[in-house]
Amino acid sequence: QLQLRESGPGLIKPSETLSLSCSVSGGYISSSAHHWAWVRQAPGKALEWIASIYFTGTSYYKPSLRSRVTISIDTSRNEFYLKVTSVTAADTALYFCVREEKSTAFSWGQGTLVTVTS
Amino acid sequence: QSALTQPPSASGSPGQSLTISCTGSNTDIGTWIYVSWYQQHPGKAPKLIIYEVNKRPSGVPDRFSGSKSGNTASLTVSGLQAEDEADYYCSSHAVSDSAYVLFGGGTKVTVL
Repeated sequence: QLQLRESGPGLIKPSETLSLSCSVSGGYISSSAHHWAWVRQAPGKALEWIASIYFTGTSYYKPSLRSRVTISIDTSRNEFYLKVTSVTAADTALYFCVREEKSTAFSWGQGTLVTVTS
Repeated sequence: QSALTQPPSASGSPGQSLTISCTGSNTDIGTWIYVSWYQQHPGKAPKLIIYEVNKRPSGVPDRFSGSKSGNTASLTVSGLQAEDEADYYCSSHAVSDSAYVLFGGGTKVTVL
């Protein structure tokens, strides 16, 4: 049974860099059939896809976030990561890590809440 | 890359059918079959209910069905049940100078 578990700082100050991790168990992150992605949801708002990555390191980004976001992967640790620079209150959200196949999020973590506050 | 357009709310009585639309453009829904629908209950992670326009993952009741015409995808829930009350989101593969995924703004479904 695939499990994804997000971890993050909880609280972060404006202008700082947000770092999130997703630990994958019950499956291999080096699977050739899947991409690994981050999706966020601001309080009371819609889902927003952020970025995805293949085990080779090939990555894709939402165009409007590309300048501030970096997704990376560590196949030896079975983990992938997200960095968001220069955060503002608009980055306050529940961040989900997901396993994708053909741009479809088949499996979701439970999410980690990140609040940007001074 | 604006979000896909969904009606903010929809409602129906138990046993009725309900259809939610999701409108995009020819760079997303209009070109690609990778259109998905997700159900999200309050405080829970989203759950995939339709993928590749009209396919259902194992365990999803056949009351849920999907379709697409031009730049608009649709989700139909037949025989509405109380547990279908949730938020529903569409998504689509999209391409501009690179590939990405677009979500819709979400539709709150109320079972009257």
